[in-house]
Amino acid sequence: SQTIHQWPATLVQPVGSPLSLECTVEGTSNPNLYWYRQAAGRGLQLLFYSVGIGQISSEVPQNLSASRPQDRQFILSSKKLLLSDSGFYLCAWSPTGLGETQYFGPGTRLLVL
Amino acid sequence: QKEVEQDPGPLSVPEGAIVSLNCTYSNSAFQYFMWYRQYSRKGPELLMYTYSSGNKEDGRFTAQVDKSSKYISLFIRDSQPSDSATYLCAMSASPGAQKLVFGQGTRLTINP
Repeated sequence: SQTIHQWPATLVQPVGSPLSLECTVEGTSNPNLYWYRQAAGRGLQLLFYSVGIGQISSEVPQNLSASRPQDRQFILSSKKLLLSDSGFYLCAWSPTGLGETQYFGPGTRLLVL
Repeated sequence: QKEVEQDPGPLSVPEGAIVSLNCTYSNSAFQYFMWYRQYSRKGPELLMYTYSSGNKEDGRFTAQVDKSSKYISLFIRDSQPSDSATYLCAMSASPGAQKLVFGQGTRLTINP
């Protein structure tokens, strides 16, 4: 069966510091990968998605970036965090087929102070 | 106007009640409809997945899609305290899963 991991689970960072969140998927090959942000009491905002190694699509302009160095690894980064970057970051994966849907990881709670 | 509208609640009902959760949408191209359940401080988990109009049942859960009204529902029968969570609807126009549009979620509490 497939498993998705995210770490760290919780992170407290000062404004202006860099960020690196990691997501890995086990038990599947060539998945589509996604990064979402969920602000308190709000829905999910798609930040990035990837259909393959090195292929990243950005959905919203921001000071975040994403990379996919390996087939089942997805990284979310920032060079300088802003207060507004605080939130719950979720990684998701989906099989590359028709009629598929997305499956989410446990999430990383980020607090920027 | 948002593409997907979902009443954020909170919704509080007694144990054993039938719960109805709803979403409306504006994009008539949506064909794939999902319900996710999210417990506090956890990632969403897929609960139901339906294609086009009609009903789908899984245990105590029934998903209903009415494309003519652009309206989807999730019914929970014999609700349990363990059903207390935020429920997110999601939908997509494409057969691939790349572009899901989510509602903002309804927070549900089942009181023992």
